[in-house]
Amino acid sequence: SQQGEEDPQALSIQEGENATMNCSYKTSINNLQWYRQNSGRGLVHLILIRSNEREKHSGRLRVTLDTSKKSSSLLITASRAADTASYFCATGSTDSWGKFQFGAGTQVVVTP
Amino acid sequence: DVKVTQSSRYLVKRTGEKVFLECVQDMDHENMFWYRQDPGLGLRLIYFSYDVKMKEKGDIPEGYSVSREKKERFSLILESASTNQTSMYLCASSSRPYNEQFFGPGTRLTVL
Repeated sequence: SQQGEEDPQALSIQEGENATMNCSYKTSINNLQWYRQNSGRGLVHLILIRSNEREKHSGRLRVTLDTSKKSSSLLITASRAADTASYFCATGSTDSWGKFQFGAGTQVVVTP
Repeated sequence: DVKVTQSSRYLVKRTGEKVFLECVQDMDHENMFWYRQDPGLGLRLIYFSYDVKMKEKGDIPEGYSVSREKKERFSLILESASTNQTSMYLCASSSRPYNEQFFGPGTRLTVL
């Protein structure tokens, strides 16, 4: 079963707007990571947040983690057409050493 | 620049054929992973390896086997390909468990 589940499944916004997507998971985690995938390509790591962290920033990305609710959010500010991609959260469970569970992803389309 | 390469971008095979998918990383990473990606299901872990000659089953190992004879190379083997193994196959590596994973470009396998 999938550990991480993203919401919404799809998001369509205009350039300059913010994009927010959420991830929920089920078990205790070591860390949570977000990845981006451009169409037909491999995944690219965006940001990692550890279980003892609540918020992290990287450029236009902001990630929050609420371990009490077992959820995370990824915010992309001032979106650009180049941000068009699928975004996946991946959770490293403490119950399953070294394994990550990926969700089905959020497909983001940014129109100029 | 770190790199994970996969032997083929596109592959077409017939039912019953033995299929080898090769993955090579140049980062001296201990951990390597094979995933398959299907629409709406996200990435699902097939097998992973945390050391040479070591392997662990992921969530969907049935119908697959793996080989890791050298640290930089991790092979996925479909002993007798079936149509339900038509998918995108992604290889990844990481330096330590729970660290960020570096992905290859993927192999889109079609089994006829």
